[in-house]
Amino acid sequence: DTAVSQTPKYLVTQMGNDKSIKCEQNLGHDTMYWYKQDSKKFLKIMFSYNNKELIINETVPNRFSPKSPDKAHLNLHINSLELGDSAVYFCASSQVGYPLFFGPGTRLTVL
Amino acid sequence: GESVGLHLPTLSVQEGDNSIINCAYSNSASDYFIWYKQESGKGPQFIIDIRSNMDKRQGQRVTVLLNKTVKHLSLQIAATQPGDSAVYFCAETTTSYDKVIFGPGTSLSVIP
Repeated sequence: DTAVSQTPKYLVTQMGNDKSIKCEQNLGHDTMYWYKQDSKKFLKIMFSYNNKELIINETVPNRFSPKSPDKAHLNLHINSLELGDSAVYFCASSQVGYPLFFGPGTRLTVL
Repeated sequence: GESVGLHLPTLSVQEGDNSIINCAYSNSASDYFIWYKQESGKGPQFIIDIRSNMDKRQGQRVTVLLNKTVKHLSLQIAATQPGDSAVYFCAETTTSYDKVIFGPGTSLSVIP
């Protein structure tokens, strides 16, 4: 059973479109995250939610809007996609003070 | 050998040798440190962690060393195997805070 799952695994879209990535965790963790990994493999935190509340928003453009309907889900909606948004997006979950568990990633390509 | 620059640092080791991957962390207030392994096409996977009240922790074939004086972390892999080829990340955080900051990563390549 997958602990942290994301859909879709690949997303190819045109500039200007709006898209969403979904994430679910079945670990019972209180905290969920979105990370962006660029072409140089650098992992940068975007958002963190604890029990459905936004805890961290790391100066991400407001075209990115996370939504947490419950503590097991954290979705990422992106408006007006730009070329620079192309990256791999990872969802993760944890209990505070314990390791993050990552999903398999969503490779977003903006054409 | 190891190279650092604009590209992802790379470490090449012979199969069977020991590997040492180094990491400098940034925040002197960080008290919890984690090493992750990322294989191609997959998400980062937890390897081993260490809290600031320790300076060494051992797992199966892996050892993490923490030097708080110089804010340095290292991951030692014993008897490196081809399956160890991956990108390795160190991460730092505090146990009371949700923010986990990742280092730039090191690509380990194992030569059969």
